[in-house]
Amino acid sequence: GEQVEQLPSILRVQERSSASINCTYENSASNYFPWYKQEPGENPKLIIDIRSNMERKQIQGLIVLLDKKAKRFSLHITDTQPADSAMYFCAATPSSFSKLVFGQGTSLSVVP
Amino acid sequence: NAGVIQTPRHKVTGKGQEATLWCEPISGHSAVFWYRQTIVQGLEFLTYFRNQAPIDDSGMPKERFSAQMPNQSHSTLKIQSTQPQDSAVYLCASSLRGQADYTFGSGTRLLVI
Repeated sequence: GEQVEQLPSILRVQERSSASINCTYENSASNYFPWYKQEPGENPKLIIDIRSNMERKQIQGLIVLLDKKAKRFSLHITDTQPADSAMYFCAATPSSFSKLVFGQGTSLSVVP
Repeated sequence: NAGVIQTPRHKVTGKGQEATLWCEPISGHSAVFWYRQTIVQGLEFLTYFRNQAPIDDSGMPKERFSAQMPNQSHSTLKIQSTQPQDSAVYLCASSLRGQADYTFGSGTRLLVI
């Protein structure tokens, strides 16, 4: 199977600073690592993902890093805004058409 | 594209009653996944179907939970003899390729009293 650990569970940052969330996984066969953002009362939405053939991916202010040796991946949000406040979930899966295993989530608050 | 449609949005049942939750995947998506979300447990995998066939139900509590996908346009999750600990948001997701197209529905918030 797979287990994903996500830290921190709560993160509070000042507006315009950076926020970092870290996840570790157990199954070395895992090859796809998406990140989801969930706002209150809404469903989780995919915001960025990375596959095992990459070490870094950036979409605007979102950066994902993957360290396969350490079985660790992370999300970095640069220049945070209050609109970035939400729950963030990392996930991992070892193959196509397989279940995603989610981390416990990080509640991010961006304060003015 | 209406996205993944889940009904009802909210359901309140009495302990011991049955609850049936519905999911309509995005048209053309071949994989349907069911998850349960609670504050304590987070997002827990329950079961999934590919091309209507059950593939993995390793997350399903075996005794009272069952899921079906009778046709490509809908899946149901049935909980018999509901218990207060079944209270959660039940999320359905569908996927075209199994990964990048993983789209969640808005969920059904089940409350068992």
